[in-house]
Amino acid sequence: EVQLVESGGGLVKPGGSLRLSCAASGFTFSSCNMNWVRQAPGKGLEWVSSISSSSSYIYYAESVKGRFTISRDNAKNSLYLQMNSLRAEDTAVYYCGRAEDAYSHGVDYWGQGTLVTVSS
Amino acid sequence: QAVLTQPSSLSASPGASASLTCTLRSGINVGTYRIYWYQQKPGSPPQYLLRYKSDSDKQQGSGVPSRFSGSKDASANAGILLISGLQSEDEADYYCLIWHSSAVVFGGGTKLTVL
Repeated sequence: EVQLVESGGGLVKPGGSLRLSCAASGFTFSSCNMNWVRQAPGKGLEWVSSISSSSSYIYYAESVKGRFTISRDNAKNSLYLQMNSLRAEDTAVYYCGRAEDAYSHGVDYWGQGTLVTVSS
Repeated sequence: QAVLTQPSSLSASPGASASLTCTLRSGINVGTYRIYWYQQKPGSPPQYLLRYKSDSDKQQGSGVPSRFSGSKDASANAGILLISGLQSEDEADYYCLIWHSSAVVFGGGTKLTVL
């Protein structure tokens, strides 16, 4: 069974940093592209970042470029999102999402999400 | 103009069919894209329903009933999620997704009301 478990969310002041983690199990992690997607309270889904299976290709939404860094450790079956210079508008539930293989980018499995609140 | 446009809301009756559209911006040809569809209920993460590019390139999500199906309307440059035999449990937000210009793009979502 595919499982994705996010952690690391919490309350942080504007300008602060957080590191999110996503622990994956139930599939061959190193064969799949991975994504971070967020959802602000009462809003729709917003893509944040994608990383290819081997970390060779990394993509960011314009809204987070230069502030967020996606990474993965295939030996640990883990995905990460380092978030710096956080702003109030970064407040959202952050979801980890798996793409079905190394050639796709659409999410076919989602984690339960972790809430990030940026407030003074 | 947004890359993907979805109607903000749609209402349909139990037992009827609902056709949810995801219209691609002019100049972006729907025929070249895999369109992914998701269902999200309040307080829960999105659930993958299916993806559709063509009848030979499509996938149903694990455990997703066959009354959820995908198609395209080339004349409208749109992807379509068809839900047949609507049930009260289908009331939810529905999102579409494509991979475009090295980015994942979501539609704004459609709130489906079953009444």
